[in-house]
Amino acid sequence: GENVEQHPSTLSVQEGDSAVIKCTYSDSASNYFPWYKQELGKRPQLIIDIRSNVGEKKDQRIAVTLNKTAKHFSLHITETQPEDSAVYFCAASFPRDSDSWGKLQFGAGTQVVVTP
Amino acid sequence: KAGVTQTPRYLIKTRGQQVTLSCSPISGHRSVSWYQQTPGQGLQFLFEYFSETQRNKGNFPGRFSGRQFSNSRSEMNVSTLELGDSALYLCASSLAANRQETQYFGPGTRLLVL
Repeated sequence: GENVEQHPSTLSVQEGDSAVIKCTYSDSASNYFPWYKQELGKRPQLIIDIRSNVGEKKDQRIAVTLNKTAKHFSLHITETQPEDSAVYFCAASFPRDSDSWGKLQFGAGTQVVVTP
Repeated sequence: KAGVTQTPRYLIKTRGQQVTLSCSPISGHRSVSWYQQTPGQGLQFLFEYFSETQRNKGNFPGRFSGRQFSNSRSEMNVSTLELGDSALYLCASSLAANRQETQYFGPGTRLLVL
């Protein structure tokens, strides 16, 4: 089955600096990679996603890159702000012809702390 | 549109009891997935339903079961509760099954087993 590894588990950055979180996946059939942000006591919310036919996607201060050959994808947050403090989860999903279609496999999460 | 809702929000049970959790997806969404979230194990996939059929199942014992109704609402049941079942149970809904769709999470049901 699919296995998603996420690093680092915790990340402390100064306000204004950049943060990078990396995930690797094991199943080359995975073709959809969302990132979720979960603030303390709240539900996970999608912040950005990427599909396997795209190498990079950007939305304001957030960007995601995908390397299909190496089977890894990364989240980049630039000009971090205190409100970026949260747990970030990466995930991998499977195509329709896969036995695991409809299933999201999550990474273990990264606790990001942005200090003023 | 109203978001994904889950009831109850909090629940305290004792070992050996059973529990039923409910999830109402966003209107028009036909797929509902369930996840268990614990501090040590992160977000673990339980199962996914689409059009009243279980399409996918994670690696959980048979004590964990679910179903989906014709209006897409879903329930999950845990029988013979164990202390280790204490967790936040999240459901997520998505629009359709034709391609990867964004999953929208509910607020979760926090279950404490004593």
